[in-house]
Amino acid sequence: NAGVTQTPKFQVLKTGQSMTLQCAQDMNHEYMSWYRQDPGMGLRLIHYSVGAGITDQGEVPNGYNVSRSTTEDFPLRLLSAAPSQTSVYFCASKRGANYGYTFGSGTRLTVV
Amino acid sequence: GIQVEQSPPDLILQEGANSTLRCNFSDSVNNLQWFHQNPWGQLINLFYIPSGTKQNGRLSATTVATERYSLLYISSSQTTDSGVYFCAVDLSGNTPLVFGKGTRLSVIA
Repeated sequence: NAGVTQTPKFQVLKTGQSMTLQCAQDMNHEYMSWYRQDPGMGLRLIHYSVGAGITDQGEVPNGYNVSRSTTEDFPLRLLSAAPSQTSVYFCASKRGANYGYTFGSGTRLTVV
Repeated sequence: GIQVEQSPPDLILQEGANSTLRCNFSDSVNNLQWFHQNPWGQLINLFYIPSGTKQNGRLSATTVATERYSLLYISSSQTTDSGVYFCAVDLSGNTPLVFGKGTRLSVIA
């Protein structure tokens, strides 16, 4: 069991570039979420999914897209990177409604 | 939306001291979790505790759902306990976690 795997761990982008942050879990978890963490703030929800084919927006969805074509993967796409998207991104998953979330180790993204 | 407030925002302890961290939430919740973010940034799940009391070594947690608060107790603190402690809740099993802003704990030798 690898748990929740996020790649890459670090990334530097130029303004306007696009990229995909990968998140994969091997625990057959139905629920997956993406959060961003900025200095001095807690974690804010970007997008989440309650199962394959189902996604919904969180608190800060602008500039990000997601899809959930398989149970295992939940990639986060930055369409046109902006300096305001410099942050640490966390992916999380849980087995079902009344279970706790497990978090990946994060991706530190810098947009210059 | 639901509000999650944690106190105190910052805490400095001498090694060996005990502490209590508090999490208040503004609505009835389905789930509540406590996390520790270590100095390397990893988020470690400490407790899944929608109600009742749980203990794990020197850490314990109590959630009183009817009064909308949870407490995290750290006894005999160690320098490795340093980091940020987050409380997070969800309104139903199908809604994602909402986080508080955390309590930053520094344990000094």
